Amino acid sequence: DGGITQSPKYLFRKEGQNVTLSCEQNLNHDAMYWYRQDPGQGLRLIYYSQIVNDFQKGDIAEGYSVSREKKESFPLTVTSAQKNPTAFYLCASSSVPGQEGGELFFGEGSRLTVL
Amino acid sequence: KNQVEQSPQSLIILEGKNCTLQCNYTVSPFSNLRWYKQDTGRGPVSLTIMTFSENTKSNGRYTATLDADTKQSSLHITASQLSDSASYICVVIPNSGNTGKLIFGQGTTLQVKP
Repeated sequence: DGGITQSPKYLFRKEGQNVTLSCEQNLNHDAMYWYRQDPGQGLRLIYYSQIVNDFQKGDIAEGYSVSREKKESFPLTVTSAQKNPTAFYLCASSSVPGQEGGELFFGEGSRLTVL
Repeated sequence: KNQVEQSPQSLIILEGKNCTLQCNYTVSPFSNLRWYKQDTGRGPVSLTIMTFSENTKSNGRYTATLDADTKQSSLHITASQLSDSASYICVVIPNSGNTGKLIFGQGTTLQVKP
């Protein structure tokens, strides 16, 4: 079945460590996105990519990095520079760059906890 | 500043009852407005998508309305079920051509009790 797969579901990190969250989609979507969700707040955009080998910063990109070497994959690295990384991370994809009118499909999320 | 505000923050209702969730936005112009359902610990799932010219859109027991003049949207849930317990998120897509710049509300947490 088509969809978006995020892994791992839960991740624990020690301070000072980098961690990478995986996001894979088999929907043949060009656009992919990473969002961060904190309690009581709306989703905030970290990075997005409209096409392979290209990506743009979102509203809260500091302390994060991404790559888009394949259409299907958009991994997110949470670096030690991210001051408050504990959060729920959501990956999404859409078929229409620009999203206007394009349905947005989300993965199941990855919960990162810094010990 | 483009904003989306949802109310109430949380809501508890009895199974079988109806409820209405509110979404006020300041985003203008906008392309479309969406409602998502997010179960605890899961990713959001789309319920409805409305363009700025649509007034209402239904998906089973879920009915979304849009008043572009007052910049308000509502999500009405009919004959609630225990499985409706979730967070409901209102999302507005600005008509600005900025890819990825969806504006998310903070969500309303609904709990349906037996």
